[in-house]
Amino acid sequence: ETGVTQSPTHLIKTRGQQVTLRCSSQSGHNTVSWYQQALGQGPQFIFQYYREEENGRGNFPPRFSGLQFPNYSSELNVNALELDDSALYLCASSLPSRGYTFGSGTRLTVV
Amino acid sequence: QKEVEQNSGPLSVPEGAIASLNCTYSDRVSQSFFWYRQYSGKSPELIMSIYSNGDKEDGRFTAQLNKASQYVSLLIRDSQPSDSATYLCAVNWNSGGYQKVTFGIGTKLQVIP
Repeated sequence: ETGVTQSPTHLIKTRGQQVTLRCSSQSGHNTVSWYQQALGQGPQFIFQYYREEENGRGNFPPRFSGLQFPNYSSELNVNALELDDSALYLCASSLPSRGYTFGSGTRLTVV
Repeated sequence: QKEVEQNSGPLSVPEGAIASLNCTYSDRVSQSFFWYRQYSGKSPELIMSIYSNGDKEDGRFTAQLNKASQYVSLLIRDSQPSDSATYLCAVNWNSGGYQKVTFGIGTKLQVIP
């Protein structure tokens, strides 16, 4: 049990649809980061939220958006899904300078 | 563009041997360095962190950092088949006022019984 919970575990969507992935991080960890990991690749930084505001973003288009809530939960929203969005999506909490605790991830398949 | 480079492997070692995993990074101002283990189909798990030059040991694992050479490594002594996994090197640095962690591609380790 890592203390970071992601849902759903697996998801199949059709190209062009929208998806919302959810994460519940550890109490007191007010920084949450989202990563995309394609098969055979390392995790790629999508964005980071601190105290409910986005304070960092990687090279992902605006159709990737997020929210962080006061109860340490967060969401990743992806609009207009593309086949290349198929990946493992990882939520991580805790201070980046002290190492992440990852959730178990959401495996998204776009068909 | 900040980069973290690793050989994707696979690195094959016999059971009981020392596995040596290497990583280089591009930014001299990086402060924190991490090794994650990722089993197939699972999420990464933090196994080692290192912040200053030198060696840091934790059980069978030793992380080594050389900031002058921009090089970090992970040694696994007495390798076991259960160590077979992908090992991700990660580097933390300041990026536009926030702390950002960049991962390498990961090295796949195979421990042969």
